[in-house]
Amino acid sequence: AQSVAQPEDQVNVAEGNPLTVKCTYSVSGNPYLFWYVQYPNRGLQFLLKYITGDNLVKGSYGFEAEFNKSQTSFHLKKPSALVSDSALYFCAVRTRGTDKLIFGTGTRLQVFP
Amino acid sequence: DADVTQTPRNRITKTGKRIMLECSQTKGHDRMYWYRQDPGLGLRLIYYSFDVKDINKGEISDGYSVSRQAQAKFSLSLESAIPNQTALYFCATSDPTSGRQHTQYFGPGTRLTVL
Repeated sequence: AQSVAQPEDQVNVAEGNPLTVKCTYSVSGNPYLFWYVQYPNRGLQFLLKYITGDNLVKGSYGFEAEFNKSQTSFHLKKPSALVSDSALYFCAVRTRGTDKLIFGTGTRLQVFP
Repeated sequence: DADVTQTPRNRITKTGKRIMLECSQTKGHDRMYWYRQDPGLGLRLIYYSFDVKDINKGEISDGYSVSRQAQAKFSLSLESAIPNQTALYFCATSDPTSGRQHTQYFGPGTRLTVL
């Protein structure tokens, strides 16, 4: 069965420090991988995606993610966190040939001043 | 994303009532989706539609029905609401033919409370 795991319910980081939000997946075949962010009282906003090619993907707001096929991971990273990055982050996977996203349970990122 | 709107944004109703949540989009996308979000469970797919004549069940369709009235409109109905349908509901769209294919665009959500 296809699944996505976000092992951390919450990640706390000080402003200016690097941040990592973890995501691992289990799918058959080659996946499409996504990160979305949800700010309070807002819908999900697309951050970045991996489809093919370079394993390091750059997205919105200075975020990037690295696709690691051997570890089946797609961790979200940012070199220097901002307080405004505080939000709920979702990893999602879609297998080729389907149009359905499977979401992780979300990780709340809290950036402290 | 302002191109995907949902009405109402908040709704409180009673057990047994029929409820309709509406989604409209101006993106011109053929594909539309309904998800529900529950704390600790992420988003789960309820129904999806590839075009006006193509509607498919997602992983948790029991207790829900949908109607695709036009390319731009996709409604979700709860025929007889029950308390465990209390959740945040999201509509989303995608366009498989565009340069940003594979990406889904979400509305702002509808918070539904069933008493």
